Amino acid sequence: AQSVSQHNHHVILSEAASLELGCNYSYGGTVNLFWYVQYPGQHLQLLLKYFSGDPLVKGIKGFEAEFIKSKFSFNLRKPSVQWSDTAEYFCAVIPNQAGTALIFGKGTTLSVSS
Amino acid sequence: KAGVTQTPRYLIKTRGQQVTLSCSPISGHRSVSWYQQTPGQGLQFLFEYFSETQRNKGNFPGRFSGRQFSNSRSEMNVSTLELGDSALYLCASSLGGRRVTEAFFGQGTRLTVV
Repeated sequence: AQSVSQHNHHVILSEAASLELGCNYSYGGTVNLFWYVQYPGQHLQLLLKYFSGDPLVKGIKGFEAEFIKSKFSFNLRKPSVQWSDTAEYFCAVIPNQAGTALIFGKGTTLSVSS
Repeated sequence: KAGVTQTPRYLIKTRGQQVTLSCSPISGHRSVSWYQQTPGQGLQFLFEYFSETQRNKGNFPGRFSGRQFSNSRSEMNVSTLELGDSALYLCASSLGGRRVTEAFFGQGTRLTVV
């Protein structure tokens, strides 16, 4: 079955530390890739997306992600985290070109201490 | 412009009852998808509606059903509620059509089955 794996369940960092959250997917065909963030008490928001083209994509709030096709990965990065980045982060895949059925990873909770 | 609106925000139901949740997509969006979010299973796709037709369906029992109206508003119904149906139900809207576009999520409806 198609699946999305997020390597870390809970990550704890201090402010200004660098962040990398891992995401791997199992689908071998054309994929559309997303990172969503859910701040405490808020709705899911899109951080960034990859459909095609440059495999290094930049999103909001200084986040970026790199699509490595050979590794079936789409890792999220941020050079310097802030306390306000405390949230749950979800990687998601749409494995085909029809519809919007997102397959989500289980999520990574990021806690940033000031 | 207004975001995705879900009503009600909170619901408490008894086992065996049925429930209907509502979702109003962003104006101009024709695709509405529903997801179930639980601590154990994470975010799971229920179904997607586009132009009043179910275009995609996840792996949920037939007790979960939905429909979409001509104004793109969607409802989700769960019959014969079970304790395990307690979850946050999220609605997402997107432009739809053949090209994959990003999905925008509502705040969700928190359903508690007692």
